[in-house]
Amino acid sequence: GDSVTQMEGPVTLSEEAFLTINCTYTATGYPSLFWYVQYPGEGLQLLLKATKADDKGSNKGFEATYRKETTSFHLEKGSVQVSDSAVYFCALSEGIQGAQKLVFGQGTRLTINP
Amino acid sequence: DGGITQSPKYLFRKEGQNVTLSCEQNLNHDAMYWYRQDPGQGLRLIYYSQIVNDFQKGDIAEGYSVSREKKESFPLTVTSAQKNPTAFYLCASTRTGGSGELFFGEGSRLTVL
Repeated sequence: GDSVTQMEGPVTLSEEAFLTINCTYTATGYPSLFWYVQYPGEGLQLLLKATKADDKGSNKGFEATYRKETTSFHLEKGSVQVSDSAVYFCALSEGIQGAQKLVFGQGTRLTINP
Repeated sequence: DGGITQSPKYLFRKEGQNVTLSCEQNLNHDAMYWYRQDPGQGLRLIYYSQIVNDFQKGDIAEGYSVSREKKESFPLTVTSAQKNPTAFYLCASTRTGGSGELFFGEGSRLTVL
């Protein structure tokens, strides 16, 4: 089946540092790709998405580009803030018998120090 | 406001007891999902439902049961057959025909004593 592999955490950075969290996927079709963020004790919130190759998703200073040739969807931010501390999940949509399911990576915990 | 409501937020259970987690959505979404989250393991799909009165097993359905009697509601029962039920449970929904984006509730944390 389809799968998602994320950069292992935890990741610790100083405020204003550049962030990259790597994500690669394996899929038989052409899935949509997502980044979700989870703050402590909460559910997941959609951060950004891309639905086809070469699309760039962006939100709150975060960006990720759907790279079909490298099967990747790396998350980047130019200058992180303490409030960005959270767990980040990469995911792809998998169509199964007419239903859409999300397959998630294992998550990457990010801590930003002031 | 539209969204997904899960309850209770925290739940404690003795071994051998069944417990039911509630999930209600007012987004008019057709499809609903239950995921289990364990530390360092990401999210794993337990059950999903595309329409009322129909549901399918996900990757880790053993020891769980669900029902979908109403479009808005998708309760999950953790039965005594689930060997390791302590986890964070997340309910989600999506509209049919979309890109697959899921909307999540805030989760329910179950602890077995």
